[in-house]
Amino acid sequence: NAGVTQTPKFQVLKTGQSMTLQCAQDMNHEYMSWYRQDPGMGLRLIHYSVGAGITDQGEVPNGYNVSRSTTEDFPLRLLSAAPSQTSVYFCASRTRVYSNQPQHFGDGTRLSIL
Amino acid sequence: QQPVQSPQAVILREGEDAVINCSSSKALYSVHWYRQKHGEAPVFLMILLKGGEQKGHDKISASFNEKKQQSSLYLTASQLSYSGTYFCGTVLNDMRFGAGTRLTVKP
Repeated sequence: NAGVTQTPKFQVLKTGQSMTLQCAQDMNHEYMSWYRQDPGMGLRLIHYSVGAGITDQGEVPNGYNVSRSTTEDFPLRLLSAAPSQTSVYFCASRTRVYSNQPQHFGDGTRLSIL
Repeated sequence: QQPVQSPQAVILREGEDAVINCSSSKALYSVHWYRQKHGEAPVFLMILLKGGEQKGHDKISASFNEKKQQSSLYLTASQLSYSGTYFCGTVLNDMRFGAGTRLTVKP
């Protein structure tokens, strides 16, 4: 009963480095999304996907790339890390965007950029 | 398209009631409510679909006014365990969240 699994849980990067945050779900959900959470800002949508091969931008997409080659995986790539990207990142999934089912969240990745 | 939540913070004594509001400028498909404890992921509370329904979960209930695109979360006879930050999530083409309402329940 894994649900939504995010790796790593913690990461420290230097400015300019690149990295990929991993997200996998085992519930056969079509809809997956990435959020960042900063103090006082709530959860802001970065990118989302309504199915394999389909991605779209959310509220704050700049500096991030995503791809969805399988139903299970939705990695988030930071191309050139900046201190402004220091945040807690949550991956989430639902059956479909228009569904009466809840959205499931991973445990989060705490990312610090020095 | 981010929904607007109010109030930003509320402090209660055990047993008191609270209402948290969420509004959107867009016609919504559904509204979700989540609670987040410090350092943890958000936890699902309930979903309200368009149609003006009202739901309840123990002493926490919610309503969705489709005409006004507003939802309210009602916490009755609050307990210490209700402390946390409450978020509404609104579904249009994706899901976006409000900035949150920090609820503190004191003994």
